Amino acid sequence: KNQVEQSPQSLIILEGKNCTLQCNYTVSPFSNLRWYKQDTGRGPVSLTIMTFSENTKSNGRYTATLDADTKQSSLHITASQLSDSASYICVGPRGNNRLAFGKGNQVVVIP
Amino acid sequence: DTEVTQTPKHLVMGMTNKKSLKCEQHMGHRAMYWYKQKAKKPPELMFVYSYEKLSINESVPSRFSPECPNSSLLNLHLHALQPEDSALYLCASSQDRVDTEAFFGQGTRLTVV
Repeated sequence: KNQVEQSPQSLIILEGKNCTLQCNYTVSPFSNLRWYKQDTGRGPVSLTIMTFSENTKSNGRYTATLDADTKQSSLHITASQLSDSASYICVGPRGNNRLAFGKGNQVVVIP
Repeated sequence: DTEVTQTPKHLVMGMTNKKSLKCEQHMGHRAMYWYKQKAKKPPELMFVYSYEKLSINESVPSRFSPECPNSSLLNLHLHALQPEDSALYLCASSQDRVDTEAFFGQGTRLTVV
């Protein structure tokens, strides 16, 4: 069972609109949760990394939230731009020096 | 500097060729990783080097051979690959363990013909 589940799998949004991506994780013990942005054919770029004590973290137009009780995280994109079209991946350490990757939220921003 | 540099960006090789992928970081990180990523799939871990020693090999075929010459460099030697090995190969580094933040390189797009 994948320890990181993301939804929706894909979405299309109009330029300038906001959207929210969801991540449910079951990795244990929890140490941190990360969001990465990956453009097609490129390596993932870190957006945020959140520890147990943090429930909100922003990076420009990206804001991540974390609810450690429900083991849910969200990534909110404000005033989307065409360059936001990418896959957004939720990632958490899962022990044995390995990472658990979600399958990603594929976002397409249209003019 | 939070950059992980991978070369080459693109590589086309025949099934009888020998080639190498290179990765470099200057963040003082002591853990370095190779991942393989197929289209529309999450990255799959291949190897982990910790303090320049191979600590994890995820049962990767021997046609892939990793090397860590020093704490800043990581190589992946390729020999007798198959077309199904075509993928994006990602290098990553982190301070020491995987639960510290990992930084990824831009990847090498490998095509085996």
